[in-house]
Amino acid sequence: AQTVTQSQPEMSVQEAETVTLSCTYDTSESNYYLFWYKQPPSRQMILVIRQEAYKQQNATENRFSVNFQKAAKSFSLKISDSQLGDTAMYFCAFMKPHSGGGADGLTFGKGTHLIIQP
Amino acid sequence: NAGVTQTPKFRVLKTGQSMTLLCAQDMNHEYMYWYRQDPGMGLRLIHYSVGEGTTAKGEVPDGYNVSRLKKQNFLLGLESAAPSQTSVYFCASDRAPPYEQYFGPGTRLTVT
Repeated sequence: AQTVTQSQPEMSVQEAETVTLSCTYDTSESNYYLFWYKQPPSRQMILVIRQEAYKQQNATENRFSVNFQKAAKSFSLKISDSQLGDTAMYFCAFMKPHSGGGADGLTFGKGTHLIIQP
Repeated sequence: NAGVTQTPKFRVLKTGQSMTLLCAQDMNHEYMYWYRQDPGMGLRLIHYSVGEGTTAKGEVPDGYNVSRLKKQNFLLGLESAAPSQTSVYFCASDRAPPYEQYFGPGTRLTVT
């Protein structure tokens, strides 16, 4: 079974600063997907960014980027120019697809509570 | 396009009562999932479905049953609710690839 570990229960930074959230995972699979989800106080789960394990290039989405280190099984999220609206829980997640389509669902870490201070 | 919707949003049950949570998606997604979220935890997979009429167990399936009679709906049932099932329940759907799951707003269930 896969495990996902987020070692930072809470982080706090000033607005406009850059912050990096850590995530490590354990798997014996070679083909998988990694995700970062944001959960603001509204409780809605929002996809932030996605990485396919077979792609070496790190994914980026506007102010959000990842540092994917496959050999080290590390998948950190960098938020640049942080904004007050970035305050939320952030969850790292792992998915192993089936060869015939479909997947077992996401395995989540316990989350990091990110607070952006004005 | 409503995305993923969940009914109800809140519910309080007494121990031993039964209920069904409904998840509906209008994106024609093949795959659907039920998760639960407890305080200090990430979401954990209860059951999932890779197509109409098919379901499979996830990480924490005990005490729950599911059905997927229509492609757009995925039902989660609690036959005899227990206080340990107090949680927030999320439904999600996606297609493969890109395996980007879209989540419903969640249902907060309290069992007393």
